[in-house]
Amino acid sequence: DTEVTQTPKHLVMGMTNKKSLKCEQHMGHRAMYWYKQKAKKPPELMFVYSYEKLSINESVPSRFSPECPNSSLLNLHLHALQPEDSALYLCASSQVGTEFLEGNQPQHFGDGTRLSIL
Amino acid sequence: AQTVTQSQPEMSVQEAETVTLSCTYDTSENNYYLFWYKQPPSRQMILVIRQEAYKQQNATENRFSVNFQKAAKSFSLKISDSQLGDTAMYFCAFPRTMYSGGGADGLTFGKGTHLIIQP
Repeated sequence: DTEVTQTPKHLVMGMTNKKSLKCEQHMGHRAMYWYKQKAKKPPELMFVYSYEKLSINESVPSRFSPECPNSSLLNLHLHALQPEDSALYLCASSQVGTEFLEGNQPQHFGDGTRLSIL
Repeated sequence: AQTVTQSQPEMSVQEAETVTLSCTYDTSENNYYLFWYKQPPSRQMILVIRQEAYKQQNATENRFSVNFQKAAKSFSLKISDSQLGDTAMYFCAFPRTMYSGGGADGLTFGKGTHLIIQP
């Protein structure tokens, strides 16, 4: 069973549409992540939220707008996307690391949303 | 910056055989963690195993074990008694930073190895 739930599983949208991707976890994790994965490539980090605050933005275009309304939910709002934005979008969550050992927490991933831009 | 290299784009073995996937990395950190993730066609990234760099003992999870050579910066994954369900992309991953100041940071992934288990 997937402990990180992503909806929808598939999304097709035009370049002028506005849509949102949703991610939910109930493991008590206070760090949440968005990754973008192109076909046959590894995931690439987009955003990191820690304690519901945006802590890392990997220079992602403003047509992607993340939101963390509470500790269990993470949204990714999409607007005016380009065909090259077609990809698998993965959400992940983890415990927040302790001081000087942040990187020890394993990340738990959802099944992803397959996004296609027409 | 951390880098992760997986030099085997694809491997194919017969069911029940043992297979080893290689991973090398580069870091200036002394204390860190390494991860292997599996991504089957169902898309979900699944944590296979985690290794702590300051522990000399290699991590083991059932049929999965690692050969961690800190000095050589090598972190290979061994799968024993391979099963059809092991068919997947396998990614070696390393935390981008050990201390970002924000409490969390993303993972740097290798390019992956596509493992095919033949019946």
